Amino acid sequence: GQQLNQSPQSMFIQEGEDVSMNCTSSSIFNTWLWYKQDPGEGPVLLIALYKAGELTSNGRLTAQFGITRKDSFLNISASIPSDVGIYFCAGQTGGYQKVTFGTGTKLQVIP
Amino acid sequence: DVKVTQSSRYLVKRTGEKVFLECVQDMDHENMFWYRQDPGLGLRLIYFSYDVKMKEKGDIPEGYSVSREKKERFSLILESASTNQTSMYLCASSWRIKRRGEQYFGPGTRLTVT
Repeated sequence: GQQLNQSPQSMFIQEGEDVSMNCTSSSIFNTWLWYKQDPGEGPVLLIALYKAGELTSNGRLTAQFGITRKDSFLNISASIPSDVGIYFCAGQTGGYQKVTFGTGTKLQVIP
Repeated sequence: DVKVTQSSRYLVKRTGEKVFLECVQDMDHENMFWYRQDPGLGLRLIYFSYDVKMKEKGDIPEGYSVSREKKERFSLILESASTNQTSMYLCASSWRIKRRGEQYFGPGTRLTVT
């Protein structure tokens, strides 16, 4: 199956720094989703986006649905140690609510 | 809050054994999914179900089967476990129409086949 391209694959940042990551696809999606996965746990939904151009926040997290509907961005402001984990994007289109998942961005925060 | 539970967090089975992984959701979701997650390969869809007794193959159905006898419960069956099925198995559920695409995951089952 198709996978979305996420970048960067991994990043080390200092506590307090802002973080940006993005997700691109060759296909158009109707919904973009962002998840966070802690080690040994299932992914947890952070933000869902439903319209091209939409900008949505959840606390220190902000995500945008790209105008072309082929990309999405996630920003984390003022990172803290508990932000450590793997962040996945996901796109949905078509029937039965199947989604395509990105390859993940591994975030490590240095205290 | 949506709650998706999986029957075991860790499981160790022998090659050739029949393995059952169970998933239960409490949000009256129509859709349920089984994925496996392996390093470097991401999340891969094994099977999904959009209604009771309905199932559709995902990207990697070989060696697996599923059962959905009740709306809240979706089982993944490994008919004859093999070592290449050692993996993290994740169950997810979602509504059919509202909140399009939002899938909610269980905590995962880490299966080791020896």
